[in-house]
Amino acid sequence: GAGVSQSPSNKVTEKGKDVELRCDPISGHTALYWYRQRLGQGLEFLIYFQGNSAPDKSGLPSDRFSAERTGESVSTLTIQRTQQEDSAVYLCAAPQGYYGYTFGSGTRLTVV
Amino acid sequence: GENVEQHPSTLSVQEGDSAVIKCTYSDSASNYFPWYKQELGKGPQLIIDIRSNVGEKKDQRIAVTLNKTAKHFSLHITETQPEDSAVYFCAASIRFVNTGNQFYFGTGTSLTVIP
Repeated sequence: GAGVSQSPSNKVTEKGKDVELRCDPISGHTALYWYRQRLGQGLEFLIYFQGNSAPDKSGLPSDRFSAERTGESVSTLTIQRTQQEDSAVYLCAAPQGYYGYTFGSGTRLTVV
Repeated sequence: GENVEQHPSTLSVQEGDSAVIKCTYSDSASNYFPWYKQELGKGPQLIIDIRSNVGEKKDQRIAVTLNKTAKHFSLHITETQPEDSAVYFCAASIRFVNTGNQFYFGTGTSLTVIP
């Protein structure tokens, strides 16, 4: 069935370093979404991919954030010059049926 | 844009009692309302959903109701069990032609079922 794999599951990085987060929609979904979840808060939309193009990047919080996708496969979310406020769980999601999503388990990013 | 509010933020119930979580939304164009359960260290999992042409849907101990006029929808869990303890998120979805379904999430409810 549909599945989304994310890596790493946990990442601790020093402030100012760059990080790459990976999402692999196992069954090859056309659409792919990235969300951010800060501690104790809801899900914040970051970016949407249709194939390897990103029609909606409106949620990326700053130009330090970027994402790319190879075809209908792996996507990477890159955060440059990380800041402490970037600490959060980053979730990737792929369509489930006509309306819903399947989420990956997320990458917990801690910037120290 | 759409704004989804969710209450309460935390909820504790005794095992066997019912739990109710409520959400409101602002955009009448929203037409799909899923509920997600997120256990510690895991991504959100879809547990039940409802479309705007339906007022109520039930799946075993879980039910969702939708009031389109008032723009609110609720999750009802009956006969709660300790394994129901998790964070629950509601969402409202608008389907856009160019960008597919855009989901707007509530801020979550941390449910604790006390044995």
